[in-house]
Amino acid sequence: DAKTTQPNSMESNEEEPVHLPCNHSTISGTDYIHWYRQLPSQGPEYVIHGLTSNVNNRMASLAIAEDRKSSTLILHRATLRDAAVYYCILRAFGNEKLTFGTGTRLTIIP
Amino acid sequence: DTAVSQTPKYLVTQMGNDKSIKCEQNLGHDTMYWYKQDSKKFLKIMFSYNNKELIINETVPNRFSPKSPDKAHLNLHINSLELGDSAVYFCASSQTRTSGGAGETQYFGPGTRLLVL
Repeated sequence: DAKTTQPNSMESNEEEPVHLPCNHSTISGTDYIHWYRQLPSQGPEYVIHGLTSNVNNRMASLAIAEDRKSSTLILHRATLRDAAVYYCILRAFGNEKLTFGTGTRLTIIP
Repeated sequence: DTAVSQTPKYLVTQMGNDKSIKCEQNLGHDTMYWYKQDSKKFLKIMFSYNNKELIINETVPNRFSPKSPDKAHLNLHINSLELGDSAVYFCASSQTRTSGGAGETQYFGPGTRLLVL
C-alpha cells in the first residue's frame, strides 16, 4: 500500500471545525482513501472513505484533491469526544488489509 | 450488545508462559483479524481469517497461532511469551465482498492489554 503523511498532532477549539490533512503523493488510481480514528483506550473505528469525489457522512466530510495526492478530513463541529488519533489509510482495490501509519493526535480544547 | 468482544481485557503473565486471547463477533461477518499495537502506539496487522481459512499472515513468529473454530470466533494463542510481546492486541471483523472495491469497514474490539513480566 502507498504511504500517507500526516501531522503528528493538532489542536482545535471545541465547537469549531477541524481540518485534518493527509498527503499521499504516491497514490495509485485504484487506491481508496480511508479514515479511521482511535479514541483513548479503545479500538480504531471507521470514519469515512472515498475514491475521487468528496464524501459526507454523519461523522465527517472527506475532501479529496483533484489530483488525489492529498485529502482532508473535516469535522464540522468538534466536540471533546472527537479527541482521538486519526489515521489516513490508502487501501488498494479489493485489499482487505488496513495498514496504519502514525496518525494525527487531535486535541480538543474546551 | 457488543459487536466485537475480546477476553480478557487485561492479561499479566510471566515470561515463558502460554496464554490465549479470545475474540467473538456477532455481526455475521466472514472475515476476522488480529492487530498488535506496540508501546509506541504503532498498529500492525498480524493475521486475517476468511471463513475459518488463514488469508493474511504478516511474518508473525510461530509462537503466535490463531485458531478459528467458526466464522464468529478467532482466538489467538501465544506460546513461550516474551517481554516484547507486551502490547495491546485488537481483534476486528468485516464482511468481505467478492467483487473487491473499497474494502469493507472493519469493526474493532476493545483490545486486550497484555503485559509480560
